[in-house]
Amino acid sequence: GQNIDQPTEMTATEGAIVQINCTYQTSGFNGLFWYQQHAGEAPTFLSYNVLDGLEEKGRFSSFLSRSKGYSYLLLKELQMKDSASYLCARVGGATNKLIFGTGTLLAVQP
Amino acid sequence: GAVVSQHPSRVICKSGTSVKIECRSLDFQATTMFWYRQFPKQSLMLMATSNEGSKATYEQGVEKDKFLINHASLTLSTLTVTSAHPEDSSFYICSARDRGRMSNTIYFGEGSWLTVV
Repeated sequence: GQNIDQPTEMTATEGAIVQINCTYQTSGFNGLFWYQQHAGEAPTFLSYNVLDGLEEKGRFSSFLSRSKGYSYLLLKELQMKDSASYLCARVGGATNKLIFGTGTLLAVQP
Repeated sequence: GAVVSQHPSRVICKSGTSVKIECRSLDFQATTMFWYRQFPKQSLMLMATSNEGSKATYEQGVEKDKFLINHASLTLSTLTVTSAHPEDSSFYICSARDRGRMSNTIYFGEGSWLTVV
C-alpha cells in the first residue's frame, strides 16, 4: 500500500514555530513533496526531498528520513496567512505517480 | 503565470449528461499527467495516471468507463465524466510532469469545480 499519514488538524500561534509530520510506506519511494493548499484553490509547491536531511527555504523547511519513512514540514515565524492545508505527497512506483496524504489543516491564531 | 491550464474552472451540468475537462501544459511537454478528485475538507485522491499515446492507468475503485481520460498529445489531457450524477460533484484537478526536467517538476492546474444538478 501507499499509506501516507499526517495529523488531521493543528493549531499554532502567530509568530511561533510549527512542525507537521508525515509518515509513509518506504517501498518504491522516489521523493517526497510538501504542498500548501488554501480552501478552493489548487495546491502550491513548497518543497521536494529525495535525499535524507533538512532542506531550508526561507520560513519553510522540510526534513526527510528515508529509512524511517518520515518527513516533516517546519514553518517558522508563523503568519495568519499560513492558515491552510498542508499536504504531504509521495512519488513512487513504476509510473512515479504522486500520491497525497490526508492533509493537515493548520489554523494560525493571533 | 500558470504553466498548466485547466478548463473550465467551474461547470454545472444536468444529471445524466457528460462533461469534459481539459488540462493543458502551456510551455512544456508533459509525458505524464495525473487526475485527482478532491471532496470538501479531504485530500486529493488520485484517479488515474495519463501517459501520452497510451491508455490511462486507473486507481483502484475508479471506473474507467465513467471517467474517460485521453492524453492525445504531449500538451493536452482530457477527463470526461460520463453520465454524471450528483455524487460526482467535486473539485477535479490535474497535474503534469515536465518531460524536460527532473521528476520533481510537477505542476498543477487551477482545478475545475463540477456541480451535477
